[in-house]
Amino acid sequence: AQSVAQPEDQVNVAEGNPLTVKCTYSVSGNPYLFWYVQYPNRGLQFLLKYITGDNLVKGSYGFEAEFNKSQTSFHLKKPSALVSDSALYFCAVRANTGGFKTIFGAGTRLFVKA
Amino acid sequence: DGGITQSPKYLFRKEGQNVTLSCEQNLNHDAMYWYRQDPGQGLRLIYYSQIVNDFQKGDIAEGYSVSREKKESFPLTVTSAQKNPTAFYLCASSTRRANNEKLFFGSGTQLSVL
Repeated sequence: AQSVAQPEDQVNVAEGNPLTVKCTYSVSGNPYLFWYVQYPNRGLQFLLKYITGDNLVKGSYGFEAEFNKSQTSFHLKKPSALVSDSALYFCAVRANTGGFKTIFGAGTRLFVKA
Repeated sequence: DGGITQSPKYLFRKEGQNVTLSCEQNLNHDAMYWYRQDPGQGLRLIYYSQIVNDFQKGDIAEGYSVSREKKESFPLTVTSAQKNPTAFYLCASSTRRANNEKLFFGSGTQLSVL
C-alpha cells in the first residue's frame, strides 16, 4: 500500500535562512513524487515533481527537492526562506505501476519569521 | 483563463439533508477527483473519475455519491449517511496521458453542519 509521512507538523525558520520540509514515502515499484503548497482557504498549488533522472528537482518560487531512493525520502528545500513562503506544504506520491490515485501526507505548516 | 471552479465557497447542511458541491473544469482534463481535508489529516480521496460515465471509490467514499455525465463536471453529493461532513472539500483534475501528471485544484468548499 502507498503511504506518505511528513514527520513534522510545523517548521519554524527565520527569513533568509535555509529551510527543509521532510517527507518519506512507501510505494510498490518506482514512485512519482510531488510537492504542493496551500495558502489559507485556497486549493493546492503544484510546486515540483520527481519522475526519473536527476535526484535534485527544481521547482517554482526557488524551491527544490532531493530524491533519495535508499532512504525513501523526498525532502523539500529552499536556500533562503521568505516570509511569503509561510504556508501549508503537502508531499504526495503515485506508484508508476498504473492507476491515478495520489496519496497525500498530512501536511507541514511552515512559519517564516521576519 | 483555464481552471477549476468550485461552488459554493461555503455551504451549510442541516441534519438529514443531502447537499451537492459543484466542480467544473475547462482544462479539457479527463480525470477528476474529490478530496476531503481535515486539520492534521491531510487530503483523503473520496471518489475519482478517469473518464466520462465512469468513477471509482476512493478511501472514504461512504456517505458520498458522485456522477460524471459530462467531461467538464464532477459534482459531489454529501448524503445524510455521512455523519461527520464538516470539512474542506477540494476538487482536482489531471490529464489522463500518464499518471505522472500533476493535479490542478479548485479553491475548495467549506461544508459545515448547522
